Amino acid sequence: KNEVEQSPQNLTAQEGEFITINCSYSVGISALHWLQQHPGGGIVSLFMLSSGKKKHGRLIATINIQEKHSSLHITASHPRDSAVYICAASSSGAGSYQLTFGKGTKLSVIP
Amino acid sequence: DAGVTQSPTHLIKTRGQHVTLRCSPISGHKSVSWYQQVLGQGPQFIFQYYEKEERGRGNFPDRFSARQFPNYSSELNVNALLLGDSALYLCASSPGPFYGYTFGSGTRLTVV
Repeated sequence: KNEVEQSPQNLTAQEGEFITINCSYSVGISALHWLQQHPGGGIVSLFMLSSGKKKHGRLIATINIQEKHSSLHITASHPRDSAVYICAASSSGAGSYQLTFGKGTKLSVIP
Repeated sequence: DAGVTQSPTHLIKTRGQHVTLRCSPISGHKSVSWYQQVLGQGPQFIFQYYEKEERGRGNFPDRFSARQFPNYSSELNVNALLLGDSALYLCASSPGPFYGYTFGSGTRLTVV
């Protein structure tokens, strides 16, 4: 069982819809990352958060540490938002650091 | 300022060969980490280096090794290549372990 679980695996939305992608983790974390990956492989870091909520443009990320759950929201979705969205948990223990990734959510926004 | 640069961008190797992948971090970033992404899957953590010391190792065989140089650039080496090593290899840099990551565009390795 992956320590970071994402849902849904695939998501198709109409342009303008409000989108939510969920991430649950079972490991102790120092931070939770939301990443965007476009076809061809390039990964862009969207958010790093360890508590509360962050907003950047139409993107909002929230995290509930007690419930070990994070969500990525996209308001007024647009076809250019089509990509794979990945959550990743960074953990540290005994001076060792690593990122554990979810399998990603493939988002397609239809005009 | 240049982002994280990886070389080569694409590579084809034969089973049993050895490969070296290279990563140059953003200037001022002292941490470099490596990930393997098989088609259709999320990335898997391979190594993290910080201040030239290994600070994390994922569940990969000893055929995988890495190092970080005094200028903070890094190499990932894979020996005795297997077909299953075919993947996108991603490098990410950060100022330190508790900061956000900036990813390179990756090296796509095909083993035939």
